[in-house]
Amino acid sequence: EPEVTQTPSHQVTQMGQEVILRCVPISNHLYFYWYRQILGQKVEFLVSFYNNEISEKSEIFDDQFSVERPDGSNFTLKIRSTKLEDSAMYFCASRAGTGVWAYEQYFGPGTRLTVT
Amino acid sequence: AQKVTQAQTEISVVEKEDVTLDCVYETRDTTYYLFWYKQPPSGELVFLIRRNSFDEQNEISGRYSWNFQKSTSSFNFTITASQVVDSAVYFCALKVGANSKLTFGKGITLSVRP
Repeated sequence: EPEVTQTPSHQVTQMGQEVILRCVPISNHLYFYWYRQILGQKVEFLVSFYNNEISEKSEIFDDQFSVERPDGSNFTLKIRSTKLEDSAMYFCASRAGTGVWAYEQYFGPGTRLTVT
Repeated sequence: AQKVTQAQTEISVVEKEDVTLDCVYETRDTTYYLFWYKQPPSGELVFLIRRNSFDEQNEISGRYSWNFQKSTSSFNFTITASQVVDSAVYFCALKVGANSKLTFGKGITLSVRP
């Protein structure tokens, strides 16, 4: 069964460093998302991406964040200068866009980012 | 703005008991989609079910059933004959419009004891 994959599973970085979180969405999906979950809290939307551009972003997604789909398979989230409060689990999700299963977002296993 | 409220924070049951997880949503849009996701201790988010606002038919799938009531803006989830493997955090989520983000509730931690 196709699935969303994310690498790395755990990333430890020092405050102020840049990190890139990688995702490989399900191959025929058209819509891509990043969410984050601070430990013990609810899942929060960061950004959605369609047709090679951002379609929606939240207040959390400030200038320190960027997303890119550098090739036909990867979808990345970059944090330019990490802060302690960026420590969280980051989930990538993708959605088909057409067909019976068009509305479900399928999530990857997450990348746990720890900023020290 | 959209909002999802899961008033229950933690529920503990003994195996084989039935358990219902509550979800109340708020939106002004007439077309919307409701979801339940399961987050086991391993951390991933597993899609369980979607309901469209125009489809109030409730469903039973194995030990799972869902009760969607537009009149009370509720989308409750019941596990029948719970098992230890059902122990997880369960999130209710709302999406308005076909392309938009998911708005999650705070989640309910379900513990099923043997």
